[in-house]
Amino acid sequence: KAGVTQTPRYLIKTRGQQVTLSCSPISGHRSVSWYQQTPGQGLQFLFEYFSETQRNKGNFPGRFSGRQFSNSRSEMNVSTLELGDSALYLCASSSQPTGHPGELFFGEGSRLTVL
Amino acid sequence: AQKVTQAQTEISVVEKEDVTLDCVYETRDTTYYLFWYKQPPSGELVFLIRRNSFDEQNEISGRYSWNFQKSTSSFNFTITASQVVDSAVYFCALSPAGGTSYGKLTFGQGTILTVHP
Repeated sequence: KAGVTQTPRYLIKTRGQQVTLSCSPISGHRSVSWYQQTPGQGLQFLFEYFSETQRNKGNFPGRFSGRQFSNSRSEMNVSTLELGDSALYLCASSSQPTGHPGELFFGEGSRLTVL
Repeated sequence: AQKVTQAQTEISVVEKEDVTLDCVYETRDTTYYLFWYKQPPSGELVFLIRRNSFDEQNEISGRYSWNFQKSTSSFNFTITASQVVDSAVYFCALSPAGGTSYGKLTFGQGTILTVHP
């Protein structure tokens, strides 16, 4: 079956702009998590959605937001982009509650460059 | 707060050598899960193993083995007879057990493993 799909794969924005990233989970998976990966901070948890509800949120400013739709697809949005937002944004899905905790299936990520 | 430390930033070995990746964790939770993920150059993280804090049995899967020692808060990963295809970044991760934190993991900084032919 198809894996986790993230779009776009690459994008370049300028400071002050906003960006929306999309994630389509594995069919049947209702949980989606987002992570930010940078060389300096490593992998950091952004948020987790399950059945359209945000379950957990990481320690990021309010400029970072997300949502999940009824078909389990998820989007995250970053407003007023800063240079430090340049990162690989990874989406992961899981089959919870029937699946095993922490067994996440990741997409290849959306690489955002902020100029 | 949870913390995962992977002391080795980069490891370079020659094919067929054995290599051990170290992972030390900190948590106040009495029950938790530990994980190892692999990130190949394509970017997506690939799940390798999950270990429950109650289960200290070591595990072997082919050339991979994991040593969990609760007394030293360590969860080390050994690749036996390494191969070039093992070259990747490896992450150790931690999450609390129970509740609704299924997708919230605390990752270590990662270890870049390069296996030379």
